Amino acid sequence: DAGVIQSPRHEVTEMGQEVTLRCKPISGHDYLFWYRQTMMRGLELLIYFNNNVPIDDSGMPEDRFSAKMPNASFSTLKIQPSEPRDSAVYFCASSFPPAAAGYTFGSGTRLTVV
Amino acid sequence: GENVEQHPSTLSVQEGDSAVIKCTYSDSASNYFPWYKQELGKRPQLIIDIRSNVGEKKDQRIAVTLNKTAKHFSLHITETQPEDSAVYFCAASMPGGGKLIFGQGTELSVKP
Repeated sequence: DAGVIQSPRHEVTEMGQEVTLRCKPISGHDYLFWYRQTMMRGLELLIYFNNNVPIDDSGMPEDRFSAKMPNASFSTLKIQPSEPRDSAVYFCASSFPPAAAGYTFGSGTRLTVV
Repeated sequence: GENVEQHPSTLSVQEGDSAVIKCTYSDSASNYFPWYKQELGKRPQLIIDIRSNVGEKKDQRIAVTLNKTAKHFSLHITETQPEDSAVYFCAASMPGGGKLIFGQGTELSVKP
């Protein structure tokens, strides 16, 4: 298995632009998580899905952030409009039930908003 | 909701010494406690985990202990090596909840 696949690896965008981050979970994993990592705030859980359904989005910072999971093999995290304070590394992770058995993280997307 | 506190934020040891990282959690219902290692520029990777029905678990040079009464758990690395240098994260999860809540991380530096 190729593991959790995220794209792009790096994204540099101008303030105000729309950014879309993509994630392909490991086949058979029915939990998918989006995390944001910064030096100041560590690893923050933004949202997670179970069987493609959003379960908890309480970590999504504000309405500029949205996430979807149209099928079991694909999820997106969108930021519109982007702001410099959104600059961070965004990780996607997936797990097999029971979800607490340990995540597998993707390689992350390093987002820079200038 | 669950909150996980991790200490220290940085730790420097000499090669061959032991390193201990401690975490406390707030929700007594939490029942799963993994530890992740993140090397610079890489993804977090699971190195060891423990469930609430176990008090200690070992895997070669690393071990984790859990004190449910005090709601804290610790990572112990013995005979540290330079390649152990990384950021270590603890986490906690509640039954059926699915999500992991992470501590703030400990940057471990092992000096040769």
